[in-house]
Parts: sequence; structure tokens; C-alpha cells
Amino acid sequence: SQTIHQWPATLVQPVGSPLSLECTVEGTSNPNLYWYRQAAGRGLQLLFYSVGIGQISSEVPQNLSASRPQDRQFILSSKKLLLSDSGFYLCAWDRDTSLTITDTQYFGPGTRLTVL
Amino acid sequence: AQKVTQAQTEISVVEKEDVTLDCVYETRDTTYYLFWYKQPPSGELVFLIRRNSFDEQNEISGRYSWNFQKSTSSFNFTITASQVVDSAVYFCALGRSGGSNYKLTFGKGTLLTVNP
Repeated sequence: SQTIHQWPATLVQPVGSPLSLECTVEGTSNPNLYWYRQAAGRGLQLLFYSVGIGQISSEVPQNLSASRPQDRQFILSSKKLLLSDSGFYLCAWDRDTSLTITDTQYFGPGTRLTVL
Repeated sequence: AQKVTQAQTEISVVEKEDVTLDCVYETRDTTYYLFWYKQPPSGELVFLIRRNSFDEQNEISGRYSWNFQKSTSSFNFTITASQVVDSAVYFCALGRSGGSNYKLTFGKGTLLTVNP
């Protein structure tokens, strides 16, 4: 069976510090990977998605970046955190199915980031 | 454009009551997918159901049931005999059919509180 891991679970960082959040998926190959942010107020915002190693699509302009150095590893980074980067960060994956099918996205446990 | 509306921001019920969570969607696609996710206080989004646009058959899973009506663009979720463990934020989501667009459009969620 497939599992998705995220770490750290919680993080408190000062403004201006760097950030690195990691997400890994087990039990599947060539997954599509996603980073979402959930700010206070509950809405889910898609930040990045990746359909393969080194292939990153960004959804919104921001001071965050993403990388996919390995097939099942997805990293969210920032060089300098802002107060507005606080939130709950969720990683998700789905299978790389045919072009006519949308698969189900499965989510990781999330990382709660507080920027002070 | 894709849009999902969950008009109920918060619902509070007493245990054993039935409760229906509304979801209305907008899309110009003829093939699309609808999802429901549960987000308990721990934060992880838990997948509940996936339905494609060609399958209007209602589904029941234990105390959960889903009513999909294309005529009204709705995909409502009913919990029968609610329990305290059902307390969570519930998200409805809309997915496009494959291609280069793998994104889900989420509603803003409904916070369900089941009181003992």
C-alpha cells in the first residue's frame, strides 16, 4: 500500500529564516505530487505540482519554491520566510494515470508552520 | 472556470441527528470528477469518495451517503445518526479530466460539530 510522509510535523521559524519541508511517498512510482497551503480560514491553496523529476509547476507568485530531486520526494523551500507564510502545509500525491482520467489525491499528515 | 461552493460555513448538531452537507459546483466540462474529503482536528485530509460525471448513482457507505444530481450541479453528503467522531471540516472538490491540468478545485469547507 502507498503511504505519504511529511516532516517536520510542526515548525516555528523567525521571519527571514530559510525553510525546507519534505514530503516522500512510498509504495508507488512516478506519482504526481502537490503542495497545498491552508491558512487560517480553512481554504486550500495549491502552491506547486509536479508530474516528474525536475518538473515543477507554480500556481501562485510567492517567495516559496519547490523541487523534486527524486521520483518520490518533493521539497518546499524558502530563502526568507515572511509572516504571511504561516499556515498548514499539505503534500498530496496521485497516480500518473492516462490522459483521460483524473485520479484521487491522497494527502499527507501536514506540517504546521508558524512564522514569528 | 471551475468553482465549488459550500454555502454552509459551520453546522452544529446533537449526536444521533442526521446532517446534510451541501456542495454545488460549476464547470463547463462534460467529464469531471467530484470528491469529498474529511479533515479532523489532526489536520490530515482523509479521502471519502470520488464520483465521475457519468455516474449519477447515489452511494451509501455505512452512515455516509452521497446524492449526486447533475441537473442541479450538486453533490451533497449526508451523515446519518451523527457521532462525535464525525466532528471535522468537510471539503468538496471538483477535478477536471486528465490532460495537463491535474488540479482540484476545493470548496471552502464546512465545519461540522457534533455535540454529545
